Amino acid sequence: EDKVVQSPLSLVVHEGDTVTLNCSYEVTNFRSLLWYKQEKKAPTFLFMLTSSGIEKKSGRLSSILDKKELFSILNITATQTGDSAVYLCAVQRGSTLGRLYFGRGTQLTVWP
Amino acid sequence: GAVVSQHPSRVICKSGTSVKIECRSLDFQATTMFWYRQFPKQSLMLMATSNEGSKATYEQGVEKDKFLINHASLTLSTLTVTSAHPEDSSFYICSAPRTSGGDTQYFGPGTRLTVL
Repeated sequence: EDKVVQSPLSLVVHEGDTVTLNCSYEVTNFRSLLWYKQEKKAPTFLFMLTSSGIEKKSGRLSSILDKKELFSILNITATQTGDSAVYLCAVQRGSTLGRLYFGRGTQLTVWP
Repeated sequence: GAVVSQHPSRVICKSGTSVKIECRSLDFQATTMFWYRQFPKQSLMLMATSNEGSKATYEQGVEKDKFLINHASLTLSTLTVTSAHPEDSSFYICSAPRTSGGDTQYFGPGTRLTVL
C-alpha cells in the first residue's frame, strides 16, 4: 500500500528557532515530491523535488530529497510567527501530472 | 493573482439536496483537473481526476454516483455532491496542473460544504 508519512505531526517553537520537518514515502512509480504550506485555505506551493541530493532553497526555506532512503526534509531557519501553518508533503506517482498523494501534515506553531 | 478559482467558497445546505461546485483555471487551459477532500485536521485526500472530454477517474472508495464530475471545457470542471448528507460536510479543493514553464500544480481556494 502506498503511503506518505510526515513527522512530527505537530511542533511548537519560538521565533528564531530552526525547524526540520520530515517526510518519508513508499509509493510505486514515484515521479516527484512536493511541499506545500497550508494556512486557512488551500495549500500554497513551496517546492517540487525530483532529483536526489539537490537542495532547493527559497529564502529561509530549503528542502532536499533522498530517493535512495525515500525521504525528504523541509528546513525553516530563523522562524517567524508567519511561518505558523500546516506543512504538507505530497508525492506524485506515474505520468499524470498533478495526481498527488498527501501526508497528514505537520502543524507548526511559532510563538513570538 | 489566483490562477484557479472555485465557486462557491462556502455553502450550507439541507440533507438530501445536491450541491454543485465549480473549478476554473483562469489564464490557462487544463485538460485535467483534480478534486480533493479534506476533513478537519486531516490531510487532503484525492477523490478523482477530471478529464476534459471523457469520464472522470475515481479513486478507490469514492462513489462515482454520489460525486458527479463534469469537465465541460478546458477551463471548467464541476463537482456535484448528490443527495448530500452531514457526513459529506468537508472542505473540497480542486487543482489544475500547468505544464508551460515547468510542472506546476495550482490549487483553488476551496469550498467549505456544510450539510445540515
